[in-house]
Amino acid sequence: GAVVSQHPSWVICKSGTSVKIECRSLDFQATTMFWYRQFPKQSLMLMATSNEGSKATYEQGVEKDKFLINHASLTLSTLTVTSAHPEDSSFYICSARDPWTSGDYTDTQYFGPGTRLTVL
Amino acid sequence: SQKIEQNSEALNIQEGKTATLTCNYTNYSPAYLQWYRQDPGRGPVFLLLIRENEKEKRKERLKVTFDTTLKQSLFHITASQPADSATYLCALAEGGYQKVTFGTGTKLQVIP
Repeated sequence: GAVVSQHPSWVICKSGTSVKIECRSLDFQATTMFWYRQFPKQSLMLMATSNEGSKATYEQGVEKDKFLINHASLTLSTLTVTSAHPEDSSFYICSARDPWTSGDYTDTQYFGPGTRLTVL
Repeated sequence: SQKIEQNSEALNIQEGKTATLTCNYTNYSPAYLQWYRQDPGRGPVFLLLIRENEKEKRKERLKVTFDTTLKQSLFHITASQPADSATYLCALAEGGYQKVTFGTGTKLQVIP
C-alpha cells in the first residue's frame, strides 16, 4: 500500500524558534498533500492543502505566515512553524492523496505517522 | 451548519462480539465516505471506502454500510479482538478532489 513518512517524529524547541517538518510519499507521486493538526482527544483539523508547484490553500483561521508550506516536488511537502510559541504545541500530521486505489479513482488519503511538537 | 457526528462515548465490548460504530452527518452530500483507524500518537490508517451508490462493503472482518437517506454509515468489526482497540474515524468528501472532513472519532476498547 501507499506509504507516507514524516520527519521528525517528535521535536522539542524553545519559544521563538522555527521548526520544519517533512512529509514524503515513498512509493507514489502525490500532487496533493494535506497538513492537519490534532489536539489531545480531538479529531483532525485540516490546516492547509498543498499542491505541487503552487501556493498552498489555507483553511480559515490558519495563519499562512506562521505555517509556511512548500510542496517542491511530487513526493515532498514541508511545513515550517515559524516563531513557534507554546500554543503551537500539538500533533501535526500530513497526508498524501493517491488518486488511484485498487484501480478506481477514489481519492484516498494516506497519512504519515505524525510529528509531536512541544514548544517550551 | 455541516456536522459529522460519531459516538462521543467510548465503546467497550467483549472479545469475540461484533462492534458497531456509527457515523451520522448533516448538510453534506457525500460522494464517498471513508473509515480510518488511529492508534494513540500515530497517524490514521485507511481501512475502507464506500461510495454513495454502494450500500455495503466488506473487507475481512470489517463491514461498512452507507445509507444516504438516513445520512448514516455503520462500521462493523466482527469477532472483535483486543488488537482492534483503537479510535475509529469516519471521513467524508463531497466529490473528487474535494476536501475530506473527519468526524470526532469513537474509541473502541475490546475487553479480553
